[in-house]
Amino acid sequence: DIVMTQSPDSLAVSLGERATINCKSSQSVLHSSNNKNYLVWYQQKPGQPPKKLIYWASTRESGVPDRFSGSGSGTDFTLTISSLQAEDVAVYYCQQYYSTPRTFGQGTKLEIK
Amino acid sequence: QVQLVESGGDLVKPGGSLRLSCAASGFTFSDYYLSWIRQAPGKGLEWMSYISGTSGDKYYADSVKGRFTISRDNAKNSLYLQMNSLRVEDTAVYYCARGRDTFNWGQGTLVTVSS
Repeated sequence: DIVMTQSPDSLAVSLGERATINCKSSQSVLHSSNNKNYLVWYQQKPGQPPKKLIYWASTRESGVPDRFSGSGSGTDFTLTISSLQAEDVAVYYCQQYYSTPRTFGQGTKLEIK
Repeated sequence: QVQLVESGGDLVKPGGSLRLSCAASGFTFSDYYLSWIRQAPGKGLEWMSYISGTSGDKYYADSVKGRFTISRDNAKNSLYLQMNSLRVEDTAVYYCARGRDTFNWGQGTLVTVSS
């Protein structure tokens, strides 16, 4: 199984500042056939199900604000929120879909400083 | 829009059984893989199983293989999860999700396994 490890476990950022969350996979999730990274990011607010933010590591889901961006390739990925808003308080998860079983990172809790 | 509504969650004793259902709307149900994913209280996400549109392709996580069975009824736009031999560690919110790779999630249903 591919192990997904996020860092940090929790993060406190001031409103308007940049937030950066990292995700590392135990093996590459870059598929050589199409040069795509099989990595997705979700946002889960308290009491709600996860919501897809970014797939293929860097493609924003329709309707997701452009302050959210994803980057990285192979085994190392980053979710960046360029200017933190109050409504961004949530737990963020990465997940690989390169192989089965699909596996998630442990989550990163983002709070306001 | 995509809507997934889970039901069937309950309090059950260890060793017991439960059947979860998920009613779908807003998309062509039979065209999509569907999955079950769970989240233990205060914990992270664990993918458990998926099923293809025709039910010909199914996959289970090792943690539930042999105990849980995924199925669907395309005529009723419904997904099911039959859970047998339940353990305390199966306590979680169970989410129905559209997809096999990336997911669109329902609101979840709580299953509590306790004596």
